Amino acid sequence: DAGVIQSPRHEVTEMGQEVTLRCKPISGHNSLFWYRQTMMRGLELLIYFNNNVPIDDSGMPEDRFSAKMPNASFSTLKIQPSEPRDSAVYFCAINQGRGPGANVLTFGAGSRLTVL
Amino acid sequence: GQNIDQPTEMTATEGAIVQINCTYQTSGFNGLFWYQQHAGEAPTFLSYNVLDGLEEKGRFSSFLSRSKGYSYLLLKELQMKDSASYLCAVRLLSGSARQLTFGSGTQLTVLP
Repeated sequence: DAGVIQSPRHEVTEMGQEVTLRCKPISGHNSLFWYRQTMMRGLELLIYFNNNVPIDDSGMPEDRFSAKMPNASFSTLKIQPSEPRDSAVYFCAINQGRGPGANVLTFGAGSRLTVL
Repeated sequence: GQNIDQPTEMTATEGAIVQINCTYQTSGFNGLFWYQQHAGEAPTFLSYNVLDGLEEKGRFSSFLSRSKGYSYLLLKELQMKDSASYLCAVRLLSGSARQLTFGSGTQLTVLP
């Protein structure tokens, strides 16, 4: 079964610090997505990868944000330097791309980031 | 761009039926999805419509009218555990893209 493990689940940091969020798809995907969720803006797509290649990063708010996917089993979202307005829940999601799961996004549990 | 509208909040009684509406304005429509999200948890997939009509899955059904840019999620025999946010999402026809654009969600509260 496809699944997604995210870490850390919670992070509290101070403005200006670097934040790295991690995502480990367990199996069975060819697309990986990073979303951000806030009360004000809802669930927003930041970037997505297809076969480990970044396809669309137009949702990345600014140069402080960067994402990598060095292999099919690992992706990171980095914020440097972090700001209080970056406080949100960051979700990683995968899509199997074919078969019965082709239309379904499977989300990780999310990383709740608080920047003080 | 795209615009997705759904009510912010709804309240219903246990055992009742509730309909959550979603309207959208997009170019290149390629499917509409409903996700359920309990407080503090990740969204989970409920249903998918790409053609007009009703898709039924147990107590949940989803309807789509592409010409009207309209969908609804119908929840029958409401249970307390159905209290959650329901997210409408649209997929656009854009190359190999499979990304979804989500609405702001409808917070459903089921009362005893």
